[in-house]
Amino acid sequence: DIQMTQSPSSLSASVGDRVTITCRASQGVNIWLAWYQQKPEKAPKSLIYAASTLESGVPSRFSGSGSGTDFTLTISSLQPEDFATYYCQQYDSYPFTFGPGTRVDI
Amino acid sequence: EVRLVESGGGLVTPGGSLRLSCAASGFTFSSYSMTWVRQAPGKGLEWISSISGDSGSVYYADSVKGRFTLSRDNAKSSLFLQMNSLRAEDTAVYYCARGWASSSWYIVLWGQGALLTVSS
Repeated sequence: DIQMTQSPSSLSASVGDRVTITCRASQGVNIWLAWYQQKPEKAPKSLIYAASTLESGVPSRFSGSGSGTDFTLTISSLQPEDFATYYCQQYDSYPFTFGPGTRVDI
Repeated sequence: EVRLVESGGGLVTPGGSLRLSCAASGFTFSSYSMTWVRQAPGKGLEWISSISGDSGSVYYADSVKGRFTLSRDNAKSSLFLQMNSLRAEDTAVYYCARGWASSSWYIVLWGQGALLTVSS
């Protein structure tokens, strides 16, 4: 099975900050990596797929990069509505594992 | 409106059974893979099962294999998760989710979730 790790597990930031979250797969997943945002008591929301493609409606301050085993999610200028937990998920091969999440708060 | 609505959650005693349902609307259900993801209280997301649009491929996490059965009824735009031999560690919010295509496992759309509590 492919194991996913994320770093950091949590971070504190301010509005306007540039934030970078890293996701690493225990073996290569090509570009089949997605990022999701989850706010407390809410369902997750899909942000990015195929490592770098933004879902429709997702602000351009979000970006993704990487391939193989190392991926990043970057928020170029953090907004108040961006405080949430972010998860990566590989969908290259079953089981389609999630990372443990990165909590972004003030 | 594209929508997923879960139902069937509740309180079950250990060893019991329950079936979760997910009603889909606003899209051609048979054209998309479907997935269940769960989240235990205060924990992260856990992928547990996916099914292709034609039911030809079904996958399970080791944690539920042999106890849970995923199925779909494309004529009724519905997804089902039959859960047997339930354990306390199955307590979670269960999210129904839609894939990007019939055999693509990327999750595009999420339901609001159904809470399952396994407790005596």
